[in-house]
Amino acid sequence: DIQMTQSPSSLSAFVGDRVTITCRPSQTISSYLNWYQQKPGKAPRLLISGASTLQSGVPSRYSGSGSGTVFTLTISNLQPEDFATYSCQQTYSIPWTFGQGTKVEIK
Amino acid sequence: QVQLQESGPGLVKPSETLSLTCTVSGDSVSSRNYYWSWVRQTPGKGLAWIGYISHTGSTYYNPSLKSRVTISVDTSKVHFSLNLSSVTAADTGLYYCARVEVGSGNYPFDYWGQGTQVTVSS
Repeated sequence: DIQMTQSPSSLSAFVGDRVTITCRPSQTISSYLNWYQQKPGKAPRLLISGASTLQSGVPSRYSGSGSGTVFTLTISNLQPEDFATYSCQQTYSIPWTFGQGTKVEIK
Repeated sequence: QVQLQESGPGLVKPSETLSLTCTVSGDSVSSRNYYWSWVRQTPGKGLAWIGYISHTGSTYYNPSLKSRVTISVDTSKVHFSLNLSSVTAADTGLYYCARVEVGSGNYPFDYWGQGTQVTVSS
């Protein structure tokens, strides 16, 4: 199985900050990397697919980059509604696996 | 608007079979552009993919659960189901059904149900 390691596991930031979350698969996965946002009591929401393709309706302050073994999710100009847990997922090989999540909290 | 809704018992006894159904509206499980999947979330291990079924009825399961999992579609094509046999406390968690987009090749999970909590306890 491909292990997905996210860092940091949590972070605190101010509204307006730029934050970056990193996801490292245990082996190369080309660009088969998706990012999800999850708020307490809610299902995950797809933000980015294929490492960098922003989904319809997702604000442009979200961006994703990377390929191979290092990927990043960046949120610029952090807004109050962005405080949530973010998870990466690889779909390069079965079993598809998720990172453990990064919790973004208000400072 | 696509919507998915999980349903099933919230409490299952150890060694018994967990059975959940996902009802799909706004789409059909016979659509060739999507797979239909189950994912669970546990406090200790986060999100874990369980398996999926395609429009042809082909299935792929997580090898860690393969011997105990069955995903199927009913003839109405608006429901698909999860059966997980011989459950233990380790199977306690929040179970989601989700739609998997196939066309892009990246297989993102683009729509999710709200999730249903399942507890394994006697």
